[in-house]
Amino acid sequence: SYELIQPPSVSVALGQTARITCEGNNIGKKDVHWYQQKPGQAPELVMYRNTNRPSGMPERFSASNSGNTATLTISRAQAGDEADYYCQVWDSNTGVFGGGTDLTVL
Amino acid sequence: VQLLESGGGLVQPGGSLRLSCVASGFTFSNDAINWVRQAPGKGLEWVSVIGGSGASTFYADSVKGRFTISRDNWKNTALLHMKSLRAEDTAVYYCARAPTTVTPPIVYWGQGTLVIVSS
Repeated sequence: SYELIQPPSVSVALGQTARITCEGNNIGKKDVHWYQQKPGQAPELVMYRNTNRPSGMPERFSASNSGNTATLTISRAQAGDEADYYCQVWDSNTGVFGGGTDLTVL
Repeated sequence: VQLLESGGGLVQPGGSLRLSCVASGFTFSNDAINWVRQAPGKGLEWVSVIGGSGASTFYADSVKGRFTISRDNWKNTALLHMKSLRAEDTAVYYCARAPTTVTPPIVYWGQGTLVIVSS
C-alpha cells in the first residue's frame, strides 16, 4: 500500500517561512492535498491539487510537488498557523494521509 | 454547508454501530462522501468513500469486510455501518464531502462523532 511520510514536527520563528514535507514514491505524479487541523477542531483544506489555494486561504500558503517530495510552504508564519498539517493523496481509489506534522511558531 | 454526524458512543468489542451524516447547504447527490477517523492523539486515517449516486464504494484495508458505507440522496444522509468492532476502531469519525472528480480534495468536514470500543 502507498505510504506518505511527514516529519512529526516543524518549528518556525514568528514571521519566517515554514516548510513541511511529504514524501512518497513518485508523489510528483499524484495530486497532493493539504489539510490544517487545530486542536479540538475538524481538519480544513488549505491547498489542493498540488498548487491551488481554496477561496479565502491566505496567499502566505503555497505548495509544490515534484519527484518523491511534496512541500507545503507557509510564509510570514503567524501564531495562528500553529496546527497539525496533513498531506493526502488517492491511490487506487483509496485515500492516503501522511502521519501529520505539528507546526510550532516560536 | 453543514455535515452533522451522529451515532457514536460506547460499544463492546465485537459489537456493531451505525453512524449517520446528515448534510445541508449543498446538492448532496453531486458530491462523494468520505468517512475519515482519528484515534485519540493520533493522525487522520481514511476509512471509506461513496460516490454521488451510491454506485461506487471503496474501503481501507483495515475496515474492509467489517464496515459498509451507504447513502440516501432523498434524505441527504450518508451512513457507516460498523460491525465486529475492535479496540483499534476507537476514534473520532468524520464525515467529509469531496467533489466527484478524479483524485478530489476533501473540501468540507463535519465536526465528528466519537466511537469508543471497550468492555
